[in-house]
Amino acid sequence: VLTQSPNSLAVSLGERATINCKSSLSISYNSDNKNYLAWYQQRPGQPPKLLIYWASVRESGVPDRFIGSGSGTDFTLTISSLQPEDVAVYYCQQYSNPPTWTFGQGTKVEVK
Amino acid sequence: EVQLVESGGGLVHRGGSLRLSCAASGFTFSTYGMSWVRQAPGKGLEWVSAINTIGVNTHYADSVRGRFTISRDNSRDTVFLQLNNLGAEDTAIYYCTGLFPGLGVFDLWGQGTMVVVSS
Repeated sequence: VLTQSPNSLAVSLGERATINCKSSLSISYNSDNKNYLAWYQQRPGQPPKLLIYWASVRESGVPDRFIGSGSGTDFTLTISSLQPEDVAVYYCQQYSNPPTWTFGQGTKVEVK
Repeated sequence: EVQLVESGGGLVHRGGSLRLSCAASGFTFSTYGMSWVRQAPGKGLEWVSAINTIGVNTHYADSVRGRFTISRDNSRDTVFLQLNNLGAEDTAIYYCTGLFPGLGVFDLWGQGTMVVVSS
């Protein structure tokens, strides 16, 4: 189970937004030292978009203000300087146990 | 341009069936595992089903196992989801997704097709 916090947050433009994702089980493996955690962004009325995988690797084209971190059971997505186009719902997802995939419940980010 | 285009959604009565299709273009379809993810109105994302590149291995969420069937036709670059015995809890947007080869994350997404189950 993945639990995100907070469920929603309002941040001023240019300020930092921080989203947490906690797993009930470790999603890191010693065998390859990787964290099987991804982050997705879903803008209003749009399908989700992959932002980050391996907990910290940005997908091609994703701005560097999106920063993923964490390991084991605790992960964080940080938007270092919120832009208007970042208004969205953000989901974490574990892929450590294929062929099943689990998403967090989502965190809604709005502009204050 | 990479595209996944879903079709086949609609309004169906409880207990009814639908067949969703997802046409892929712009990438080598046969190298991608494919999956369906759904989103109930105002809710989060739920993985539903997945199929490997050659269509031999299929997997389902507990909530749909025994009622839904995923398949693919690599000659037509299309993946399907047969939905049977539908209930109100199946009302959702169904997204077709592509699994990044060797990685296991959903890097390709369609726009989705809406399924509404009425009672």
